[in-house]
Amino acid sequence: ETGVTQSPTHLIKTRGQQVTLRCSSQSGHNTVSWYQQALGQGPQFIFQYYREEENGRGNFPPRFSGLQFPNYSSELNVNALELDDSALYLCASSLGVGAGAREQYFGPGTRLTVT
Amino acid sequence: GQSLEQPSEVTAVEGAIVQINCTYQTSGFYGLSWYQQHDGGAPTFLSYNALDGLEETGRFSSFLSRSDSYGYLLLQELQMKDSASYFCAVTGNTGGFKTIFGAGTRLFVKA
Repeated sequence: ETGVTQSPTHLIKTRGQQVTLRCSSQSGHNTVSWYQQALGQGPQFIFQYYREEENGRGNFPPRFSGLQFPNYSSELNVNALELDDSALYLCASSLGVGAGAREQYFGPGTRLTVT
Repeated sequence: GQSLEQPSEVTAVEGAIVQINCTYQTSGFYGLSWYQQHDGGAPTFLSYNALDGLEETGRFSSFLSRSDSYGYLLLQELQMKDSASYFCAVTGNTGGFKTIFGAGTRLFVKA
């Protein structure tokens, strides 16, 4: 059974640029959530996709967008990067939503630095 | 909206028992989860409560009282490797499913 993988591991971008982060869910999982974690803070919920549809979103601006593909892999896109976007981006996969998503399996994260 | 409160830091000695409390506010409550995160690592799932009461998984137990919007994580027979950050997370449905994490409790285990 393959765990959650993310790419790239590290990324350095310039303010105003765009970035795409990728995530492969654990085998059999149909739900993926994306989180932003600043140093010393808890993960902040960005959004969740279930069967290719966004079904929950946190307090992030529209320049944060995502996709989930038929194989349940996922992308997080961030446009017009700002310095405050520098953080660890985590994706987490689970089976089902709501009460069904009792366990989320996290990937190792992508460390994004915006200069 | 959703919010959680948990202590920022707890210190305990090896072999002891420690309890990390969490209070939350949410609508459309589905469940309260606990995650462990070591420095430089990803969060790993520890426990989940959807109904009132105690869930036990080895040295870790978690408790939930939905009427009090309160839960706790109990760690027994503390080991040095338990030194990490512990997050409570509430899943709710407020205009869409969301899992909101607390700011985390840093646990230091001393010899």
